[in-house]
Amino acid sequence: AQTVTQSQPEMSVQEAETVTLSCTYDTSENNYYLFWYKQPPSRQMILVIRQEAYKQQNATENRFSVNFQKAAKSFSLKISDSQLGDTAMYFCAFMKYTDKLIFGTGTRLQVFP
Amino acid sequence: EPEVTQTPSHQVTQMGQEVILRCVPISNHLYFYWYRQILGQKVEFLVSFYNNEISEKSEIFDDQFSVERPDGSNFTLKIRSTKLEDSAMYFCASIPGGGTDTQYFGPGTRLTVL
Repeated sequence: AQTVTQSQPEMSVQEAETVTLSCTYDTSENNYYLFWYKQPPSRQMILVIRQEAYKQQNATENRFSVNFQKAAKSFSLKISDSQLGDTAMYFCAFMKYTDKLIFGTGTRLQVFP
Repeated sequence: EPEVTQTPSHQVTQMGQEVILRCVPISNHLYFYWYRQILGQKVEFLVSFYNNEISEKSEIFDDQFSVERPDGSNFTLKIRSTKLEDSAMYFCASIPGGGTDTQYFGPGTRLTVL
């Protein structure tokens, strides 16, 4: 069975600085997807970024980028130029094709002015 | 941009009562999911639905739970006899399939069982 581990329950960063959130996963699958979702206090689940396992190139979305290490089963999220609006819970998630999402326990990120 | 909608946003019910949570997935999507998040905990899979039948269900999805797609647009989750521990945020999600596999989430329904 697949598992997703987020070892940092809480992180903090100063506005405009860079922060990296860690995620590791375990699977025997070769083809899958990895995601980072943001959950602000409203509790809505907002997609931040997605990575297909067959792609070697790391995904990037504006200030958000990932470091995907398939052999190490690692999928970290880097937030550059942190903004106050980035304060939220961040969940790493794994998914096989059309299958369910398997979430980590989340990392609470606080951005300070 | 099309989005998944859920109603109600907040439901309060008495223990033992039946509740129906409603979702309208994005119109051309084919795969549908329900997830649950107890306050302060991670998001947990409940059930997936494709081609008018359940594809997979978790251990949480016992006989008290059922899902239905009664027409071409709604996707409902019914809890037959609610328990205190059913208090949680319930999220609906959908994907189009065909290689586009990002799950788009609705805003959630907060269920409070008293």
